[in-house]
Amino acid sequence: LAKTTQPISMDSYEGQEVNITCSHNNIATNDYITWYQQFPSQGPRFIIQGYKTKVTNEVASLFIPADRKSSTLSLPRVSLSDTAVYYCLVGDTGGFKTIFGAGTRLFVKA
Amino acid sequence: GAVVSQHPSWVICKSGTSVKIECRSLDFQATTMFWYRQFPKQSLMLMATSNEGSKATYEQGVEKDKFLINHASLTLSTLTVTSAHPEDSSFYICSARVVGRGKDTGELFFGEGSRLTVL
Repeated sequence: LAKTTQPISMDSYEGQEVNITCSHNNIATNDYITWYQQFPSQGPRFIIQGYKTKVTNEVASLFIPADRKSSTLSLPRVSLSDTAVYYCLVGDTGGFKTIFGAGTRLFVKA
Repeated sequence: GAVVSQHPSWVICKSGTSVKIECRSLDFQATTMFWYRQFPKQSLMLMATSNEGSKATYEQGVEKDKFLINHASLTLSTLTVTSAHPEDSSFYICSARVVGRGKDTGELFFGEGSRLTVL
């Protein structure tokens, strides 16, 4: 299983764009990169998933360089409600075990 | 997206009693479910992988006789904390992978979590 490294915490202000980078140096060929968001006392919620280049959905963008050894979750114009812990996970379709890293605590200030 | 529901969302029990937590996949079949434990300000810790129709696979350091997992159907997995003690107080979360909806990219769907407090 590829290990991931993220910043422990980040601060931002409302309306700003936030970029959270995750390192996964030993990512395997079959691995996908998935980001989850977790609010206190709730289960994690899927944000976005990608394999290479760029993926965008209604809430975020995911940038993955050619070597795939890192990825960046981009949250456009964050609001106070985006204050949460964000987890980067790496795994393949055949590997059913999912190990969470420490995650990044994002604080959005008014 | 797929929905996973946990019950109860919170439970308080006396030390020495057993508590059962249910995890249901409401609109899909889940051959594999996962159980996690999360302490305050910490990440999710994988406890075990629950496989439908077979024994669960426990992570190192997790007592299988204390945390009984049953996955009797494709939509239900249960975690029973036996002889609970205050140190078992935690937030327990289940998740499931969607099977049979095209390519499986490993996306997990999580339950709402169950907070256990042992007095």
